[in-house]
Amino acid sequence: DAKTTQPPSMDCAEGRAANLPCNHSTISGNEYVYWYRQIHSQGPQYIIHGLKNNETNEMASLIITEDRKSSTLILPHATLRDTAVYYCIVRVPYNQGGKLIFGQGTELSVKP
Amino acid sequence: GAVVSQHPSRVICKSGTSVKIECRSLDFQATTMFWYRQFPKKSLMLMATSNEGSKATYEQGVEKDKFLINHASLTLSTLTVTSAHPEDSSFYICSARTTNEKLFFGSGTQLSVL
Repeated sequence: DAKTTQPPSMDCAEGRAANLPCNHSTISGNEYVYWYRQIHSQGPQYIIHGLKNNETNEMASLIITEDRKSSTLILPHATLRDTAVYYCIVRVPYNQGGKLIFGQGTELSVKP
Repeated sequence: GAVVSQHPSRVICKSGTSVKIECRSLDFQATTMFWYRQFPKKSLMLMATSNEGSKATYEQGVEKDKFLINHASLTLSTLTVTSAHPEDSSFYICSARTTNEKLFFGSGTQLSVL
């Protein structure tokens, strides 16, 4: 079973920051938090991942709380093309298979 | 990022026939690939883990004789849906793991069984 909970849907105005929350209160010390997104009828696209520290790349920033029980994905300037389902995933450790078990995700709608 | 090619993108078949879906890692070697299925408006459900040169590991509730997985090389895994029925109609997606632990997904295969 997925170890994450996310709001089912969110709206964001174009050009504003989109902040997508995720709870993972049962995360273990060696489990990473991954974020993917899926645009309709396509394969999921990797966004970012992290263990303890905050991470930033060209797509987004990932903020992980100190106790690691929750995280937030930030899209700094959302565009219409960012409309997608965003999945927060606690990845099974590599030595246990490294699987990604998807939860229900958050459907983000970016509106003009 | 790394490229994972999945083929075909869409297939329609008659009930009772078998369908093969290919997943290729184009610019990296993948010792492990994963197969998922997804129903409309639902999340991805992991079906099996495919390891190069060994038998696949299936998730609970997934029939291994129904969904045959072969991972004969470091760049190719195949999923064969045997004796397909309308309830097997779904979106099938593969992913491949790089040596630095990233996972990249194919673009998916929409299977429709008539």
